[in-house]
Parts: sequence; C-alpha cells; structure tokens
Amino acid sequence: KAGVTQTPRYLIKTRGQQVTLSCSPISGHRSVSWYQQTPGQGLQFLFEYFSETQRNKGNFPGRFSGRQFSNSRSEMNVSTLELGDSALYLCASSLDFVASPEQFFGPGTRLTVL
Amino acid sequence: ILNVEQSPQSLHVQEGDSTNFTCSFPSSNFYALHWYRWETAKSPEALFVMTLNGDEKKKGRISATLNTKEGYSYLYIKGSQPEDSATYLCAFGDSNYQLIWGAGTKLIIKP
Repeated sequence: KAGVTQTPRYLIKTRGQQVTLSCSPISGHRSVSWYQQTPGQGLQFLFEYFSETQRNKGNFPGRFSGRQFSNSRSEMNVSTLELGDSALYLCASSLDFVASPEQFFGPGTRLTVL
Repeated sequence: ILNVEQSPQSLHVQEGDSTNFTCSFPSSNFYALHWYRWETAKSPEALFVMTLNGDEKKKGRISATLNTKEGYSYLYIKGSQPEDSATYLCAFGDSNYQLIWGAGTKLIIKP
C-alpha cells in the first residue's frame, strides 16, 4: 500500500507570493490533517479535512487555507507569504481522525520564504 | 492556553540500557494521547494512540502508560538499540479533536 505523498518536497518563494502544497493520502483514508513545524514552535495543527469538508481548524491566520477533493487528495494554500511562514509542512492521513485517530504522515514540504 | 510538556528535552542512553520519558498534558477535555517516533530525514511514525485512563500499550521493546486523571503518560524503551535513536513526540487530543503537540524528547543511543 503506497504511503502518504506530498509535493513538492522543497519550495523557495519570496515574500508576498502565494504557494500551494499537495497531499495524497493513503488509499481509503478520508481524513487529511495539515501541520506546520518550525524550530522554535514544534508541530502546530493547521486544519483537518474529512470527506471534502473542513472539520477542524487551528489558530492560524486566514492566509492559510485548504481544500480536499473527492478522491481525498488535499491542497493547502498560503497567500501573501511572510518570512515566518518558512517551515516544514506535514500532512497526515487517517481513515477518519475522529473515529480512528491513528495518523500516517507524509515526508513533508520544506518551504523557504526569502 | 493548553500546554503539553515533555521531559527530558534530550537523553543520552547507553546501548542495552532501558529508559523512559514523560509527557504531561491537561487533565480536562481529554480525547486521546498519541506517541510518535520521528527519525531524522523520515516522517513521524505512530507508536501508540491511547484513549482510556489506565491504558497500557506495548509494541516490541516499547511500551506506554496513560493516566488521564493526573495528566501524564510515560514511554518506556527496554534494552535500547541504536535504531531507537529518534525524537519521541507526544500529542494531546482534546475533546474538539485537535492535537496539541509537545516539543519532543530527543533520544540518542550510545553504542
């Protein structure tokens, strides 16, 4: 069974630009969660999607948004990039995070904002 | 503000020795407690998800206990091996199904 994949793996952008990150969950998993990891902050929850609906959202500004498609693939968008958005962005999939919370993580996308 | 604290921050252990570390979390609005292992250059790997007070889980040489009333969980590694070197993360799942993560315990096994 293929694992969680994320594209691209590395990305360099400049301030003010926008970026879209993609996550393909394990086949059959309907829940996708997104996390940001920065050296000083550790892992922080961004949002969770289940069956194309955002079910939960962390404490991030509206510049961070996401969506999920009917095949459960998910995208995360960050608009008007700031230097502080430089981080590792991880997605994780599960069958249904609420009913069965074991998650499987992708390799992450390393975003650098210059 | 909910805090999840892990201690120690880092740990050096001789190969073959056993070790343990702690995760402290809020004792209210509990849904689940997760443990993950994160090796350098790899993805976090789920070890345990525990939901009931008094839960004890075991996977090979690694085990974990849970006390939701006092808000702590212990992770034990028996007979440490070099491949156990990693950062061990715990995450508190609250009743809104959000995960709040600790900063991790970095474990280094000395051969």
